[in-house]
Amino acid sequence: EDKVVQSPLSLVVHEGDTVTLNCSYEVTNFRSLLWYKQEKKAPTFLFMLTSSGIEKKSGRLSSILDKKELFSILNITATQTGDSAVYLCALPKAAGNKLTFGGGTRVLVKP
Amino acid sequence: GAVVSQHPSRVICKSGTSVKIECRSLDFQATTMFWYRQFPKQSLMLMATSNEGSKATYEQGVEKDKFLINHASLTLSTLTVTSAHPEDSSFYICSAPRSGAYEQYFGPGTRLTVT
Repeated sequence: EDKVVQSPLSLVVHEGDTVTLNCSYEVTNFRSLLWYKQEKKAPTFLFMLTSSGIEKKSGRLSSILDKKELFSILNITATQTGDSAVYLCALPKAAGNKLTFGGGTRVLVKP
Repeated sequence: GAVVSQHPSRVICKSGTSVKIECRSLDFQATTMFWYRQFPKQSLMLMATSNEGSKATYEQGVEKDKFLINHASLTLSTLTVTSAHPEDSSFYICSAPRSGAYEQYFGPGTRLTVT
């Protein structure tokens, strides 16, 4: 059975801090790894990672994948209160197929 | 990114009535859509896979006669919660992948409250 484990479960930081979120996985056929941000509504897409060692970047967010050690990291630098959310990691079983989600990491950024 | 819409965003209904939730892919065709429910402070739980032109596939423990899914076209899937009870109150979210793509895009969700 496919497994996706995120850590930490939650963390509280102050504005300006950097946070690092971890997603470890065990899947039978790796296709890609997806990161989402969920605030009060449905998840919004952040990144899709398919290749090891290639960093994806969007503003203060960046993510990298290690297919040898089976994990991905999501970094947020210079955090702002608007970064407070649950960050979800998910792996699709195949293109257009259902996702296996991690439990999420709840991030709270205090002013 | 792709756009997926849901309607309604919020609904309150009485126990015993049925509620229909629509999920539309606005700028792409989706032969498959997924329906999730989410309880407060919990992760998304996949309920079923909606397949255009064929029956939906339900996850273990999800009653197919209670949660009716119809994938009417390549851009529309509906979830009908039949004979709703207070325990069905939840946040229902749909997602759709572009054909042949790995990333999926979520609708904004529907908050259902059954009184």
